[in-house]
Amino acid sequence: NAGVTQTPKFRILKIGQSMTLQCTQDMNHNYMYWYRQDPGMGLKLIYYSVGAGITDKGEVPNGYNVSRSTTEDFPLRLELAAPSQTSVYFCASRLIAGDPNQPQHFGDGTRLSIL
Amino acid sequence: GIQVEQSPPDLILQEGANSTLRCNFSDSVNNLQWFHQNPWGQLINLFYIPSGTKQNGRLSATTVATERYSLLYISSSQTTDSGVYFCAAGGYNFNKFYFGSGTKLNVKP
Repeated sequence: NAGVTQTPKFRILKIGQSMTLQCTQDMNHNYMYWYRQDPGMGLKLIYYSVGAGITDKGEVPNGYNVSRSTTEDFPLRLELAAPSQTSVYFCASRLIAGDPNQPQHFGDGTRLSIL
Repeated sequence: GIQVEQSPPDLILQEGANSTLRCNFSDSVNNLQWFHQNPWGQLINLFYIPSGTKQNGRLSATTVATERYSLLYISSSQTTDSGVYFCAAGGYNFNKFYFGSGTKLNVKP
């Protein structure tokens, strides 16, 4: 049972390039989340999804896009990378069904630098 | 959104000491989670505790939802407890969690 898997672990981008951060979970969780963590700060929610085909904005969605075509996968897309998007990105998943008292489970993060 | 404040921001302990970390939140919550971020950056789930008290070994947590705070207790601290401790609070829609800025703990041998 791998849990939440994020790829790549590290990436350096040039300003204006685009890329997709991958996130997959094998726990059949319906809720999935993308967060960013800037140095010395807590995590901020970028986008979330409550199930396949349903996504919504979090606190800091500008500059990002997401899709959720399957229960397992929740990729995050950066279209025009900017230095302000240099951060560590975490994906999380959670099961909301019946008992709502379920924790979030996190991947190990993707460290992204934009130069 | 929900404002989450953690205190203290930094804490230095001698190995074997006890500590209490606090998390205040600005609104009613139905979700409250404590995490430990280790020196490698991994987020480890410690407790999911929207109310009441839970214990896991040397760690325990208490949330008093009506008074809008949660406490994390670390007893007999070890150097491996070092890292940053975050609390995250969410409302009744299960969708959004709001993180505090963390408490950075350094346990010295």
